[in-house]
Amino acid sequence: GIQVEQSPPDLILQEGANSTLRCNFSDSVNNLQWFHQNPWGQLINLFYIPSGTKQNGRLSATTVATERYSLLYISSSQTTDSGVYFCAVVNTGANSKLTFGKGITLSVRP
Amino acid sequence: DTAVSQTPKYLVTQMGNDKSIKCEQNLGHDTMYWYKQDSKKFLKIMFSYNNKELIINETVPNRFSPKSPDKAHLNLHINSLELGDSAVYFCASSHILSRGYNEQFFGPGTRLTVL
Repeated sequence: GIQVEQSPPDLILQEGANSTLRCNFSDSVNNLQWFHQNPWGQLINLFYIPSGTKQNGRLSATTVATERYSLLYISSSQTTDSGVYFCAVVNTGANSKLTFGKGITLSVRP
Repeated sequence: DTAVSQTPKYLVTQMGNDKSIKCEQNLGHDTMYWYKQDSKKFLKIMFSYNNKELIINETVPNRFSPKSPDKAHLNLHINSLELGDSAVYFCASSHILSRGYNEQFFGPGTRLTVL
């Protein structure tokens, strides 16, 4: 099946810093989503981005489907950005099944 | 509020018991899913239903039986619970992929602890 690799596995930032989270995938995709799992365990939708670039406030994402990667940018990080960031994809022909990466644990220090 | 909801939020039970988790969505979606998150936070699909029909059934023990009474509800029944079933179970919903847009939305999760 499709492989989803996220990097780096862990990230520690000082409040106000910027960061880039990466997601590589091994095959063509119909769907790519970024999620934030907050410290209370909720999975929050950040972006639905099978291709192209989107922005939402301090967050933006870019997916280059032909090169099989996606990037999530966090600018001016805040302590509330802490948590785990997941990239998940639906492999073309995979019948809506989301395959998740292992996640990136982000800690933003005040 | 429009959302995916699950009950219960926490479930603590003894080995060998049978338990159910319920999920409801009011987003007008036709496809629902169960995912399992293990102790290392890894998320994996278990089942998916489209309009009450099972379309994804990953390699899950047959002690797990999903049931979809209608396209807004998907329940998960687990027989003879084992220690290894302890995890967080997430329900999700979306439109079917063939409609072109199938962003998946997740419920708050059910933390199952088997003692």
